[in-house]
Amino acid sequence: AQSVTQLDSQVPVFEEAPVELRCNYSSSVSVYLFWYVQYPNQGLQLLLKYLSGSTLVKGINGFEAEFNKSQTSFHLRKPSVHISDTAEYFCAVSQAGTALIFGKGTTLSVSS
Amino acid sequence: KAGVTQTPRYLIKTRGQQVTLSCSPISGHRSVSWYQQTPGQGLQFLFEYFSETQRNKGNFPGRFSGRQFSNSRSEMNVSTLELGDSALYLCASSLGTGTGGQETQYFGPGTRLLVL
Repeated sequence: AQSVTQLDSQVPVFEEAPVELRCNYSSSVSVYLFWYVQYPNQGLQLLLKYLSGSTLVKGINGFEAEFNKSQTSFHLRKPSVHISDTAEYFCAVSQAGTALIFGKGTTLSVSS
Repeated sequence: KAGVTQTPRYLIKTRGQQVTLSCSPISGHRSVSWYQQTPGQGLQFLFEYFSETQRNKGNFPGRFSGRQFSNSRSEMNVSTLELGDSALYLCASSLGTGTGGQETQYFGPGTRLLVL
């Protein structure tokens, strides 16, 4: 069965600093990978996704992620964060015909 | 284009009661999925409906059920509520092309259910 591990439950960072949110998945077959963001009292919004092709994926709000098949990782990065990036971030995996499996989430707290 | 809407947004019930939650997908979307979000278990998949048929099901007891109507609107029902059913219930819609899995899911704001 697929699973997703988000290695950090909380990541505090100062404004304008770079950030990396780590995600590892377990699957021996081709997968689709997603990062979603959830702001307080809201639903989830897609940041980016990897289906195939280039391993570097660019998303909205300046985020990007790199798919690393050998390390089964899909880490999310942003070179310079803003206060408004404070939110909970979820990594998710799926395969053809299956539902999304989410990680437990990482709370990103950006302070000035 | 309007997003995914869920009603009601908040709900308080007592143990043993039943509840029905509603989800209206984005216009043109044919697939609707439901998720339960709790602090302890995180986001867990309940079920997915496509063209009025359940296409995928998560590992939840039979007290959790759902259905989809011909206009793609969906409802989920929880019978004999337990304290542990307190959660944020999220609905997501997608176009429904292909077999799923690779499509972007668009989430609603959720229904927060509190069971007393």
